[in-house]
Amino acid sequence: ETGVTQSPTHLIKTRGQQVTLRCSSQSGHNTVSWYQQALGQGPQFIFQYYREEENGRGNFPPRFSGLQFPNYSSELNVNALELDDSALYLCASSLKLSEVDEQFFGPGTRLTVL
Amino acid sequence: AQSVTQPDIHITVSEGASLELRCNYSYGATPYLFWYVQSPGQGLQLLLKYFSGDTLVQGIKGFEAEFKRSQSSFNLRKPSVHWSDAAEYFCAVGAYGGATNKLIFGTGTLLAVQP
Repeated sequence: ETGVTQSPTHLIKTRGQQVTLRCSSQSGHNTVSWYQQALGQGPQFIFQYYREEENGRGNFPPRFSGLQFPNYSSELNVNALELDDSALYLCASSLKLSEVDEQFFGPGTRLTVL
Repeated sequence: AQSVTQPDIHITVSEGASLELRCNYSYGATPYLFWYVQSPGQGLQLLLKYFSGDTLVQGIKGFEAEFKRSQSSFNLRKPSVHWSDAAEYFCAVGAYGGATNKLIFGTGTLLAVQP
């Protein structure tokens, strides 16, 4: 069983640029959630994708967008990068079968915006 | 509003000593509670979870947690800490119901272990 993987591991961008982060979900999982973890903080929910559609969103602006593909992998796109977007971005996959599903996290992508 | 509070930002214990990390939650319905551990530069690893049933939950690496509804708490404990336990620990509540299942995390407790 393959766990959740994310790419790239690290990324450096400049303010105003756009970035795409990628996530491969754990085998058999159909739901992907993205979280932002700023330095010294707990992860904050960005959004969730289920069956290729956005299934809920946290308090993040529209320049944060995503995709989920038929194989359940996912992308997080951030446009017009700001300095405050510097963070660890975590992807979590789960199997949505009932009210409760356990989320399994990837190692994260460290984004630095200069 | 749903929230998780971890009152201790940083804790230092001696190797072999006992450990208790505090977590308080605010959630209107039956809470689903989690403890995760994060080593430097790593993602989150699930230590244990409480969904229902026995309020004392056993997890991996010798950790346990007790759910106390009357105190809105879910404290993490370990009887004897090892140097490899040094990491950051996050308590989370699962905000379930409706279409979206998401986790709401506390700000974390950084654990240092002295030899």
